Amino acid sequence: DSGVTQTPKHLITATGQRVTLRCSPRSGDLSVYWYQQSLDQGLQFLIQYYNGEERAKGNILERFSAQQFPDLHSELNLSSLELGDSALYFCASSYPRVAGGITDTQYFGPGTRLTVL
Amino acid sequence: GNSVTQMEGPVTLSEEAFLTINCTYTATGYPSLFWYVQYPGEGLQLLLKATKADDKGSNKGFEATYRKETTSFHLEKGSVQVSDSAVYFCALLNTGNQFYFGTGTSLTVIP
Repeated sequence: DSGVTQTPKHLITATGQRVTLRCSPRSGDLSVYWYQQSLDQGLQFLIQYYNGEERAKGNILERFSAQQFPDLHSELNLSSLELGDSALYFCASSYPRVAGGITDTQYFGPGTRLTVL
Repeated sequence: GNSVTQMEGPVTLSEEAFLTINCTYTATGYPSLFWYVQYPGEGLQLLLKATKADDKGSNKGFEATYRKETTSFHLEKGSVQVSDSAVYFCALLNTGNQFYFGTGTSLTVIP
């Protein structure tokens, strides 16, 4: 058990809909990362938050957005869903060695499996 | 740019066979390198890491050496077990604070 929790475990929805995925980092971790894992694209980094602020952005679509709240949990919002958004979405957390600096080992949650029909 | 390329799978080995999973990277600056493992139905777990050239990361019998001259970080294990069956991901962390993962290599070990 990594200490990172994600809800829900599974989500089935229809095209055009909007969903919210939730992540609680390990106790004390300030950084949260979101990843998308699909069969054809592998593991893609989406976005990172550090202590409530966006820190790094990867291949995140404009239809997707995220935020990190004062209690450090994070939510990933996916809107106008398309069939191709079906994937496993992972959250990871870490505690940077230097405040705001380069982070190190990430701890991954079990993922949310999103199916868009 | 930054990228990680790892050998495509799936890889199938008999128990006690020698394992090598190749990983090469492209990065600006001096990245840290990682191997993560994903067991069926679970999230990724850190297997080992190396933060500078010539460092060797090791854990659970797995090893990888950070080779700057060949920009490689190949994963090796001398004798695999059935319990090593999983997907292995090579990753780099660049100085811009971004992680880049390879596409993963699926390993199946048969008794």
